[in-house]
Amino acid sequence: DGGITQSPKYLFRKEGQNVTLSCEQNLNHDAMYWYRQDPGQGLRLIYYSQIVNDFQKGDIAEGYSVSREKKESFPLTVTSAQKNPTAFYLCASSSSFDGYTFGSGTRLTVV
Amino acid sequence: DAKTTQPTSMDCAEGRAANLPCNHSTISGNEYVYWYRQIHSQGPQYIIHGLKNNETNEMASLIITEDRKSSTLILPHATLRDTAVYYCIVRVVDFNKFYFGSGTKLNVKP
Repeated sequence: DGGITQSPKYLFRKEGQNVTLSCEQNLNHDAMYWYRQDPGQGLRLIYYSQIVNDFQKGDIAEGYSVSREKKESFPLTVTSAQKNPTAFYLCASSSSFDGYTFGSGTRLTVV
Repeated sequence: DAKTTQPTSMDCAEGRAANLPCNHSTISGNEYVYWYRQIHSQGPQYIIHGLKNNETNEMASLIITEDRKSSTLILPHATLRDTAVYYCIVRVVDFNKFYFGSGTKLNVKP
């Protein structure tokens, strides 16, 4: 079945460490996105990519980095510069005329 | 993309229809209305979308007013499993970004 896979489901990070969240899709979608969700809040856009080797900052890109070397993959790195990284992270993909397909999310906790 | 306004929360009795409103008064002619829902700690799930005409699928119905400035998502027979946050989003088809607001928390009660 086609879908979008995020891993790991839960991730713990020590302060000062970088950590990378994985997002893989087999839907042949051109565009991929990363959102952050804090408790009781909506989704905020971190980064998005509409084609391979190109990506754009969203509303809250500071402290995050991404790459898009393959159509299927859009990993997100949470760097030590992100002051409050504890959150639920959601990856999504879409084609031009479809809506979004979301992954099941990664819950990141700083310990 | 046009912004949307939704009530923060709503209650619905199990088995009754749930009617979730959304205002999008600045919507443009080429912007579609999409609805998603998010059950706690899961990724949002697509429900339905439309441009001008009313739409229906196995999950829900979407009613869009003639002036397209508002819409209503209807869950015809709400169940406890429909308890979730429902997001109304407007989006230009050929420009992919979705902006999510805070949505409506629907509480379906026995």
